[in-house]
Amino acid sequence: AQSVTQLGSHVSVSEGALVLLRCNYSSSVPPYLFWYVQYPNQGLQLLLKYTTGATLVKGINGFEAEFKKSETSFHLTKPSAHMSDAAEYFCAVSKKTGTASKLTFGTGTRLQVTL
Amino acid sequence: GAVVSQHPSRVICKSGTSVKIECRSLDFQATTMFWYRQFPKQSLMLMATSNEGSKATYEQGVEKDKFLINHASLTLSTLTVTSAHPEDSSFYICSAGAAGGTGELFFGEGSRLTVL
Repeated sequence: AQSVTQLGSHVSVSEGALVLLRCNYSSSVPPYLFWYVQYPNQGLQLLLKYTTGATLVKGINGFEAEFKKSETSFHLTKPSAHMSDAAEYFCAVSKKTGTASKLTFGTGTRLQVTL
Repeated sequence: GAVVSQHPSRVICKSGTSVKIECRSLDFQATTMFWYRQFPKQSLMLMATSNEGSKATYEQGVEKDKFLINHASLTLSTLTVTSAHPEDSSFYICSAGAAGGTGELFFGEGSRLTVL
């Protein structure tokens, strides 16, 4: 079975500050890892994903995440927060390739950006 | 990227009625679609996996007779909430993956159901 743990249901940062959203996973097979962002009353938008290859993954809107197998982590970072980054962020894991597979989501982290 | 569209985005209905939500993949074929339910300020809970041309696979605890799923074509899956009650009020989100892809799922905009 796979699972995802997001530490911190709420994170608040000042505009311009570093954003760090934590995600740890559990998987019995090599995982595929994803970060999604959700704005109020909207669906989910993919920020970035790790499948194979380079462990540092760059996504949209200046976000990036690093897959660390030894730490079973996939933390999301952004060097400088912007007000528009305020949203709910979900880390997710799946285990199959080449076909659509079920995603297991973490509980989400709400990012607040203050002036 | 691939686009998944849901309709309606918001629906209000009376208790006891049935509501149908559509999920369409607009620019790709999706042999598999997933239906999620999201309660306020919570994560997404997978309800069922919808497979084109076959019966849906429901997650444990999800009533298949209450949440009817039909995946009649490679671009359309529907979720029908039958005999809706106020506790069925929620945000329903569908997702789809393109065949031959990397497992990435594309999400619809979500449908907010309010049962009075």
